Amino acid sequence: SQTIHQWPATLVQPVGSPLSLECTVEGTSNPNLYWYRQAAGRGLQLLFYSVGIGQISSEVPQNLSASRPQDRQFILSSKKLLLSDSGFYLCAWRATSDTQYFGPGTRLTVL
Amino acid sequence: QKEVEQNSGPLSVPEGAIASLNCTYSDRGSQSFFWYRQYSGKSPELIMFIYSNGDKEDGRFTAQLNKASQYVSLLIRDSQPSDSATYLCAVTPNSGYALNFGKGTSLLVTP
Repeated sequence: SQTIHQWPATLVQPVGSPLSLECTVEGTSNPNLYWYRQAAGRGLQLLFYSVGIGQISSEVPQNLSASRPQDRQFILSSKKLLLSDSGFYLCAWRATSDTQYFGPGTRLTVL
Repeated sequence: QKEVEQNSGPLSVPEGAIASLNCTYSDRGSQSFFWYRQYSGKSPELIMFIYSNGDKEDGRFTAQLNKASQYVSLLIRDSQPSDSATYLCAVTPNSGYALNFGKGTSLLVTP
């Protein structure tokens, strides 16, 4: 069966610091992968998606970036965090049925 | 911008009653429809998906789809306090790789 992991689970970072969030998927190969952000009281915002190694599509211009160095690894990064980057970051993978399955998420607080 | 609309709630129902959650979407080309449940502080988990007009039942849950009216709903029979959560409706766009999510409806089941 497929499993998706995210770490860290929680993170508190100062404004202007760098960020690296990691997502890995087990039990499937060449999955479509997604990064979403859910700010407090708001809906899911798609940030990036990837259909393969090195292939990244950005949905929202901002100070975040994503990379996919390996087939089942997806990384979200920032060089300098803003207060507005606080939120719940979710990684998801897509099954062949169009269904998306979410990881446990990373709660990021920028102070 | 393709949109998915949900009433934010909260929708309050007594234990044992039927909870009815509704969702409308703007993209007539959408083919797949999903309901996710999200407990506070947790990531969304898939409850049901539906592709064809009509009803689809899974245990206490029934998804209903009407493509002509661009409307999808989720019925929860014999609601339990453990069903209290935010329910997200998601729709595949006519083109593209990512789901479009509504902002969710908060459901509260009172004992």
